[in-house]
Amino acid sequence: DIQMTQSPSSLSASVGDRVTITCQASRDISNYLNWYQQKPGEAPKLLIYDSSNLQLGVPTRFSGSGSGTQFTFTINSLQPEDIATYYCQQYDNFPRTFGPGTKVDIK
Amino acid sequence: QAQLVQSGVEVKKPGASVQVSCKASGYIFTDYYIHWVRQAPGQGLEWMGLINPNSGITNSAPRFQGRVTMTRDTSTSTVSMELKSLGFEDTAVYYCARETIVGAESGFDYWGQGTLVTVSS
Repeated sequence: DIQMTQSPSSLSASVGDRVTITCQASRDISNYLNWYQQKPGEAPKLLIYDSSNLQLGVPTRFSGSGSGTQFTFTINSLQPEDIATYYCQQYDNFPRTFGPGTKVDIK
Repeated sequence: QAQLVQSGVEVKKPGASVQVSCKASGYIFTDYYIHWVRQAPGQGLEWMGLINPNSGITNSAPRFQGRVTMTRDTSTSTVSMELKSLGFEDTAVYYCARETIVGAESGFDYWGQGTLVTVSS
């Protein structure tokens, strides 16, 4: 199985801050990586697909980059509604695997 | 508008089986895989498997192989997931989610509302 790690596991930031989350794959997955946002009590929501493509309807303050084994997810100008847990997920190989998540809250 | 609607809360005893259904609407059922993802209380997301509604072919995570069965009914656009030999560690919210078969984009773009399965003696 491809193991996904994320850092940090949690972070606190102020409204308007730039927030960066990293995701590392245990082997090369090209750009086969997605990012999801999950708010408490809700189903996850797809934000970024293919490492850097913004899903339709998702605010442009969200972005992703990377390929191979190292990926980055960024929220430019954190908003109160961005409080959530963020997960990366690889689809290079089966089983599909998720990172452990990064919990983001407001300082 | 695409929609995935799951069946309701389940409470099961250890050793029993549970079946969760996922009814799709608002899109061409056979154009999208249906995946199953679960989330134990306070934990992260765990991929269980997928079914191709067109062919019925499934792929499940090794840790669930032999215990999970996924089926589809194209006449009702419904996918079902059965998990057998339940243990306390199977207590979780179970989600279905779709992913395009025919399009270029990846990712689980629509999710069901989740079904809480509680295993309790």
